[in-house]
Amino acid sequence: AQSVTQLDSHVSVSEGTPVLLRCNYSSSYSPSLFWYVQHPNKGLQLLLKYTSAATLVKGINGFEAEFKKSETSFHLTKPSAHMSDAAEYFCVVSVYNQGGKLIFGQGTELSVKP
Amino acid sequence: DADVTQTPRNRITKTGKRIMLECSQTKGHDRMYWYRQDPGLGLRLIYYSFDVKDINKGEISDGYSVSRQAQAKFSLSLESAIPNQTALYFCATSETGGTDTQYFGPGTRLTVL
Repeated sequence: AQSVTQLDSHVSVSEGTPVLLRCNYSSSYSPSLFWYVQHPNKGLQLLLKYTSAATLVKGINGFEAEFKKSETSFHLTKPSAHMSDAAEYFCVVSVYNQGGKLIFGQGTELSVKP
Repeated sequence: DADVTQTPRNRITKTGKRIMLECSQTKGHDRMYWYRQDPGLGLRLIYYSFDVKDINKGEISDGYSVSRQAQAKFSLSLESAIPNQTALYFCATSETGGTDTQYFGPGTRLTVL
């Protein structure tokens, strides 16, 4: 069975410093992995997705994530945080052979200090 | 205009009442989903539908029912609301044969007193 674990429930950074949001996955198959972002009182927006092409995936707003099979990780990074990055971030895995069902991590809340 | 819309956006109701949450999409996708979000738990799947005649239970379907009235419409009902169904509810869509990317509505905040 597939699962996903976000290692931090809350991350706080200063504006202009790097962001690292950690995600580990469990899957017997080559997974499809996603990062979604949820700004306060908003729906979820797709940041980026990995679907077995390049292991380094670039997303919107300067975010990127690297798929590391040996470490079963899919960490989200950004070189320089902006105040507008403050939001909740979800790491998500697609369930194999079940037509698009997704399993969500618990979420990581990112705070950005001025 | 938004591709996935949900009505109402906010609802306060009392225990025992029947509630319907509605979702409409203009993306032309066959697949639609209902999730609930609770703090610290991420999103959990309630029901999903791969086309108008195909409806399936998700991991937390007890106390909920759904109706797929058309390709573009997918409604979630709480037959007799209870306080622990207080949550943020999201509808999502995806296309058949795509990369499993789901597109979410803005959410409905439901409070059951």
